[in-house]
Amino acid sequence: DIQMTQSPTSLAASVGESVTITCLASEDIYGSLVWYQQKPGKSPQLLIYGATILEDGIPSRFSGSGSDTQYSLKINSLQPEDFASYYCQNGLSTPYTFGAGTKLELK
Amino acid sequence: QVQLQQSGAELVKPGSSVKISCKASGYTFTSYDMHWIKQQPGNGLEWIGWIYPGNGNTKYNQKFNGKATLTADKSSSTAYMQLSSLTSEDSAVYFCARSRDYGYTHYFDYWGQGVMVTVSS
Repeated sequence: DIQMTQSPTSLAASVGESVTITCLASEDIYGSLVWYQQKPGKSPQLLIYGATILEDGIPSRFSGSGSDTQYSLKINSLQPEDFASYYCQNGLSTPYTFGAGTKLELK
Repeated sequence: QVQLQQSGAELVKPGSSVKISCKASGYTFTSYDMHWIKQQPGNGLEWIGWIYPGNGNTKYNQKFNGKATLTADKSSSTAYMQLSSLTSEDSAVYFCARSRDYGYTHYFDYWGQGVMVTVSS
C-alpha cells in the first residue's frame, strides 16, 4: 500500500497569512494527488485533484503543486472559513490511502 | 445537482451486522463508481472499497475483506454497505462518495453526509 505522510499535524495561523501543507508519498504517484478540506461534523470537500487542478467553485487562494513523491497545498491570504482539517489522498492505485490530516487552527 | 443521501445513525450490538444506504440523485447512478470510506472519531480517512452500479463489480481494500459487502440497486439508485461481525473497532462514521477520474487520478467529488455507526452492548 502507498503510505501518505502529511505534515505538519497541526498548524496555527492568523487571518490573512499564507500556509503550506506537505504530503509525502511512499512511492511515485505520478501526480495523482488529491486534497480535501473537512470541517467538524461535515464530510470532506474536494479542493484539488491531479496535484494542481482546482475543483470548480474552490477559491483561487488554494493551490497545489508537486510531483513524484512530494506534494504541497498552499493557502494564500487565509480566510476565517479556511480553518479546518486538510487531507491528502493517493489517487493512483488501490487501496486509495489518505494522509493523517493537518488541522489548521486560528492563532 | 448531485446529492448522496445516507441513512441515519445506527446503534448496534457487538457481533451483529448493519446495512447502511446511500441514495444518489442528480446524475446517472450507473455511470460512476461509488466508494465507501471510514472515519473513526478524531482519526483520518480509510478507504473501504468501491462498487460500479452499472454491472455490480466491486473492489475492496484487503483490510475490509469479509467485513464489508457492497451492493447497489439500480432501480432506486441506492448503494448499500453491509458490515458484519461488528466490534468496537467498527464504531466510526461511514461515508459514501462518488468518484471521477482525471488521467490516472481517481478522486471523490461528491460525498454523502456520513453515517455514525456505534457498536455497543
